Amino acid sequence: DSGVTQTPKHLITATGQRVTLRCSPRSGDLSVYWYQQSLDQGLQFLIQYYNGEERAKGNILERFSAQQFPDLHSELNLSSLELGDSALYFCASSADAGGIEQYFGPGTRLTVT
Amino acid sequence: EDQVTQSPEALRLQEGESSSLNCSYTVSGLRGLFWYRQDPGKGPEFLFTLYSAGEEKEKERLKATLTKKESFLHITAPKPEDSATYLCAVPAGTGANSKLTFGKGITLSVRP
Repeated sequence: DSGVTQTPKHLITATGQRVTLRCSPRSGDLSVYWYQQSLDQGLQFLIQYYNGEERAKGNILERFSAQQFPDLHSELNLSSLELGDSALYFCASSADAGGIEQYFGPGTRLTVT
Repeated sequence: EDQVTQSPEALRLQEGESSSLNCSYTVSGLRGLFWYRQDPGKGPEFLFTLYSAGEEKEKERLKATLTKKESFLHITAPKPEDSATYLCAVPAGTGANSKLTFGKGITLSVRP
């Protein structure tokens, strides 16, 4: 158990809908990272937050957004969902912004039908 | 652009048959190389961090080594429970952030 929690574990929704994925980092960690994992692309970095502020962006679609709240939990919002958005979404956390060692949560499996 | 390449894509071993997994990287200014283990449908589990060429780290049947261009994960006398996908990653970007660039992983199957 890494100490990072994610909810929900599974999510099934229809195209065009909007969903919110939630992540709570390990106790004391200030950085949160979101990754997407699909069969053909592997693990892809989406976005990083550090202590409430956005720090880095990867290949995150404009339809996706994230935020980190004062209690340090983070949410990833996915809107206008397409079939291709079906994937595993992982959250990771690290102690600081330099984030060398990142610990991953169990993931949310999103299925768009 | 930072790149991480892992080989082979899949490896099937007999229990007790030792082998090595390769991770080649191209990055400007290596700030570390990480190995993770991932079981199907689960989050990557952190295994090792290596920071400089020549460094080695061990954990049970696993030993990770690092050169200037690649890293190896040596598995000695593997057991079926070692079956998993092994991922390596390097941090990209500056010290102010650390998005990880992952390889596509090596799926290891160990037959009893």
